[in-house]
Amino acid sequence: DAGVIQSPRHEVTEMGQEVTLRCKPISGHNSLFWYRQTMMRGLELLIYFNNNVPIDDSGMPEDRFSAKMPNASFSTLKIQPSEPRDSAVYFCASNKSGTGAGEQYFGPGTRLTVT
Amino acid sequence: QQQVKQSPQSLIVQKGGISIINCAYENTAFDYFPWYQQFPGKGPALLIAIRPDVSEKKEGRFTISFNKSAKQFSLHIMDSQPGDSATYFCAASMLRGGATNKLIFGTGTLLAVQP
Repeated sequence: DAGVIQSPRHEVTEMGQEVTLRCKPISGHNSLFWYRQTMMRGLELLIYFNNNVPIDDSGMPEDRFSAKMPNASFSTLKIQPSEPRDSAVYFCASNKSGTGAGEQYFGPGTRLTVT
Repeated sequence: QQQVKQSPQSLIVQKGGISIINCAYENTAFDYFPWYQQFPGKGPALLIAIRPDVSEKKEGRFTISFNKSAKQFSLHIMDSQPGDSATYFCAASMLRGGATNKLIFGTGTLLAVQP
């Protein structure tokens, strides 16, 4: 079975540009998570969807960040406008437990660099 | 009360030695305690997990020790190998209680096993 798929794997962009990160969860999984990982802040949960509905977006840093899940097999995380402090590795994860609390399967991540 | 405190931040162990990573939590409602392993350039992956009804769980060279009264749990890696070099995250959550619950991750421990 394919795992969680993320694209692109690397993104380099200039400050002020719009960035869109994409995720395809494991088929049959009904929960999807977006995380951000940095050396300073570790692994932070940004937003969590259950059955395509956002359940907890308290980790979204500010209005520049938005996430959507139009269907069970696709999600996007958008940053507009991007800033250098957004540079991080962004992970998407999914599970089928119907809760944010159980085992999560992580994708390979997207390394974002904003110059 | 939602935090999980992890130590040490980094650890160097000789091949064949025992690696020990510790975590502490405050919320007594937590009932699921997983450890995730992350290799460079990869997403975290579940390594081993424990529920609070047992004090120890062993899978191969990896053991979780759980002390409910002290609200602490630890990961022991026996006969550590260079291939175990990775970042390890502890986490905690409430499996009971519905879709709004989420995994709370520790800050991570960078383990280096020297040959």
